[in-house]
Order: sequence, then structure tokens, then C-alpha cells
Amino acid sequence: DTAVSQTPKYLVTQMGNDKSIKCEQNLGHDTMYWYKQDSKKFLKIMFSYNNKELIINETVPNRFSPKSPDKAHLNLHINSLELGDSAVYFCASSQDRRREHGTDTQYFGPGTRLTVL
Amino acid sequence: GDSVTQMEGPVTLSEEAFLTINCTYTATGYPSLFWYVQYPGEGLQLLLKATKADDKGSNKGFEATYRKETTSFHLEKGSVQVSDSAVYFCALSDPNSGNTPLVFGKGTRLSVIA
Repeated sequence: DTAVSQTPKYLVTQMGNDKSIKCEQNLGHDTMYWYKQDSKKFLKIMFSYNNKELIINETVPNRFSPKSPDKAHLNLHINSLELGDSAVYFCASSQDRRREHGTDTQYFGPGTRLTVL
Repeated sequence: GDSVTQMEGPVTLSEEAFLTINCTYTATGYPSLFWYVQYPGEGLQLLLKATKADDKGSNKGFEATYRKETTSFHLEKGSVQVSDSAVYFCALSDPNSGNTPLVFGKGTRLSVIA
């Protein structure tokens, strides 16, 4: 019954590798997000997709490429991993507030802790 | 741009003490306001929310009132428990956009000791 799920939960890899994190939501939401939480617990938006379309792309390096095969999935692919990419990455989803019964409440996945060695 | 400022932690309290975590915001419109909680090793959970001025959000004994005049949304609980130990995040969303991400404060770590 998990609403927003992410895999893997932990990811340890070497610098220079390419890795992906998957996210799925079964809430029927239109909008999905990726947030990065740094070592000081600060959370910042990276990307936002609405119905598979990129809406927001903050100042994130080109090495990060989100992909949304359908509106229930938003995967994050990272090329040429660097030490500074080590963080916890959270996926979230929300219903479009402009829709009937829409709300801006976001539901978060459990997070993926990425460690780059 | 929009921003959220919350009190620096960590906050350490004894069980049954009164809790206040201050949160103020800056926004161009009238945002929705949220408190999220992150328990150790877990993701973020919505604790409570308020969508307009003077609304009070409440859940699990926690309360916060949307104060437009002071642009604040302080979190309070009358009697904390050890199980409340977590990191608390104040956040806002812009109601003028249909797909807005949350803007978070930096989080406040609460430790409750028995």
C-alpha cells in the first residue's frame, strides 16, 4: 500500500559511475518532484514534472537527468557521479491544485541515501 | 523569491515540556504553510498544514496557526514525548502555481529526553 516508493534505499558507488534512482507513486497524482537533502538536512527542489512534462529544473548540473515514462513514475539518472552528489534524494508527488479536489500537499517517498566514494 | 526561516536547533527538552519551534516566511502572495517531520532514518511525513490566514493546523497534539500579520507559522506542543524526537521542517507552497514545489526551512532537530 506504499503511496510513494523509491528504489534503492541505499546506493554506494564510486566516483565517475552512472546510476539511477527509481520512483513510483500509486496515488494517481499528476505532479512529481525530486528533492535533494544535504548532510545538514537542508532540502532543496531539483526537478518537477507534471503529466510527464518537465515544469521546474533548478540549477542542477546536466549530469542529472530525470525521466518520466508515465505520470506515475519519475526516475533520476546521474552521470559521472561526484563526491558532492552524496546526499539523500527524496521523490514526492502531489495532485494538481487546479484540478477538482486538487491540493498542494506533497507526499514523500522514504528517500535514497547515495554515497559516492 | 519565497523563503522560510526557522529556528536553529538542536532543541533538547525533557519529557512533558512545552515545545515551540518558530517559523517565519517571506512570500509574494498568500502561500499554503506546512510542517513536515522526519523521524530518524525515515522520509518526510506531513504533520499539519494551513492554507489561509488564521487557519490552525493540528495533528498528534501539535498545533500551528497561520499568522499573516507576523508572517509566521510557529509549531507548538503542550507536552512532548520521547517519540517526538525528530527533525521538523517548516515549508510553504505558492498558491499561484498549479505545480509548485515546496520551499523548506533548514529544519530543527528536536531531542526529547526521559
